Amino acid sequence: DAKTTQPPSMDCAEGRAANLPCNHSTISGNEYVYWYRQIHSQGPQYIIHGLKNNETNEMASLIITEDRKSSTLILPHATLRDTAVYYCIVRVAPLDSGYSTLTFGKGTMLLVSP
Amino acid sequence: DAGVTQSPTHLIKTRGQQVTLRCSPKSGHDTVSWYQQALGQGPQFIFQYYEEEERQRGNFPDRFSGHQFPNYSSELNVNALLLGDSALYLCASSLGTIGRDQPQHFGDGTRLSIL
Repeated sequence: DAKTTQPPSMDCAEGRAANLPCNHSTISGNEYVYWYRQIHSQGPQYIIHGLKNNETNEMASLIITEDRKSSTLILPHATLRDTAVYYCIVRVAPLDSGYSTLTFGKGTMLLVSP
Repeated sequence: DAGVTQSPTHLIKTRGQQVTLRCSPKSGHDTVSWYQQALGQGPQFIFQYYEEEERQRGNFPDRFSGHQFPNYSSELNVNALLLGDSALYLCASSLGTIGRDQPQHFGDGTRLSIL
């Protein structure tokens, strides 16, 4: 699976949008971009994933650049409960590998302040 | 609809002992993966079970073994415990359908401390 690069930490004011970047310059055409977050003392929580197109769900939006070498996770209105470590992961789709797992890096620690 | 459940939540063992951790997958899921998370690090993949067989394994020694039961629940066994095995052990479940990209859903883990 391709390696990802994320800033170690970011700050965001409550109510503002949090934009978390991820670089995956060696991503292959069959690799998806996944985002998970981990709140202290809990297991990782799935947020969103995408292949080429931008994606949006009730939690966040995922913007993938046209060349797919980077992406941005957007939390539109951050709350204190969004304070967590955010992991950007790329992985091969099951169609090509039969099965696939997640390779976590160290992620970005997002601190949302009042 | 219950999510992924793991037991116990906390466990203390001494060096050389053996431990068994348990996981019940999210309803409708048939694939279980286990991860080890050391303090301050991201989770590291141990192995994955599907149809009661180990089908992929990470870089972990044979002291780590597992099992999946017909109801899709799973166990992680660790023998001859070392101090370095102290970590949060996470179970994740998913639907193992080839051709469909399905996210893994995690439990809150078992905190294992080795004295």
